[in-house]
Amino acid sequence: DQQVKQNSPSLSVQEGRISILNCDYTNSMFDYFLWYKKYPAEGPTFLISISSIKDKNEDGRFTVFLNKSAKHLSLHIVPSQPGDSAVYFCAASESDSWGKLQFGAGTQVVVTP
Amino acid sequence: DTAVSQTPKYLVTQMGNDKSIKCEQNLGHDTMYWYKQDSKKFLKIMFSYNNKELIINETVPNRFSPKSPDKAHLNLHINSLELGDSAVYFCASSQLPINEQFFGPGTRLTVL
Repeated sequence: DQQVKQNSPSLSVQEGRISILNCDYTNSMFDYFLWYKKYPAEGPTFLISISSIKDKNEDGRFTVFLNKSAKHLSLHIVPSQPGDSAVYFCAASESDSWGKLQFGAGTQVVVTP
Repeated sequence: DTAVSQTPKYLVTQMGNDKSIKCEQNLGHDTMYWYKQDSKKFLKIMFSYNNKELIINETVPNRFSPKSPDKAHLNLHINSLELGDSAVYFCASSQLPINEQFFGPGTRLTVL
């Protein structure tokens, strides 16, 4: 029962262009959302998060957008750089869940020169 | 200066054996987690401890037993290993209610 879905397993983008990663969720109780980046043979590293009281959060080249009515969030990376090539995971949690994160399956991003 | 560390990084063992994976965090966090990433790459939570108390216990075979001797350590012991236990196991920590979790590098367990 996957409550967080990333329907695009892979994304290829040219260096300097925008990368847009999408994530959908089914549980309307989720109120906190995170994006993680993962390189091979390493643990996921936290990128950016957003609370359900907001619809946008920016941190440098990374922006997360949340559309609660559509149960959809997206991560924009502008401009994309070769070092951004990694797997990106979307995660969600409910308050009062003691930090239990539900992860999507991940999207492999490849940034080409 | 590693924030969340796990040992060992690789573990190859035979079916039926008992093994442990250790995790330590030096971030001063009060909550620690174990996740399993299976062959389909899904990351699923297994357990969580807050101040040495078990607070999340997902549907995991009771062959898996977490132990938290103190807030900075959370170990995972697995009895009678099975082929299906082969996966990458990640430890993580956070300071609730802030839910940005910091992950260790993972332990790749292979059961032959």
